[in-house]
Amino acid sequence: GNSVTQMEGPVTLSEEAFLTINCTYTATGYPSLFWYVQYPGEGLQLLLKATKADDKGSNKGFEATYRKETTSFHLEKGSVQVSDSAVYFCALRSGGGADGLTFGKGTHLIIQP
Amino acid sequence: DVKVTQSSRYLVKRTGEKVFLECVQDMDHENMFWYRQDPGLGLRLIYFSYDVKMKEKGDIPEGYSVSREKKERFSLILESASTNQTSMYLCASNFRGREQFFGPGTRLTVL
Repeated sequence: GNSVTQMEGPVTLSEEAFLTINCTYTATGYPSLFWYVQYPGEGLQLLLKATKADDKGSNKGFEATYRKETTSFHLEKGSVQVSDSAVYFCALRSGGGADGLTFGKGTHLIIQP
Repeated sequence: DVKVTQSSRYLVKRTGEKVFLECVQDMDHENMFWYRQDPGLGLRLIYFSYDVKMKEKGDIPEGYSVSREKKERFSLILESASTNQTSMYLCASNFRGREQFFGPGTRLTVL
């Protein structure tokens, strides 16, 4: 079956540090890949996505590249801010839009001033 | 803006009670989903629906049922709540092939 593995937190960084959150997946076929973010007390919001190999998703300074050869979709940001503190979820969808998402366990990111 | 609303943010119930969690979306989405979120486990799919009166089991359907009588509304039902169903429940919706939009969640505590 499908699965997503992401680094477990909490990950604590200083403001303006470089961020990488690793994500690898197992899936049949050619899944679509997503990063969602959950701010305290809120639901999940889509941060970025990629639907085929070598696609790069980007939003709000975050980037992730769909690497089929390494089955990875690592999240990166060059300079984090305190406002980036949240829980980040890597997810995949292997079917059509009616299929649910398979999520990783989430990575709690804490940015200190 | 797409809006997915859930009937309660916090809910406390007793073991054995029948519990209804309601979700409404206002964008005419075909698909609706129920997930539960637990620390260290991430989100897991309970049930989803791709049309009115249609439902499909997700990864962890045991102990739950769902109802979709109208396109905009998707209900999650705990027939006899148990303490191991204490969790955060998240509803989502989408058009086929498009991003899923999530509601704010209902934190359910079963005593």
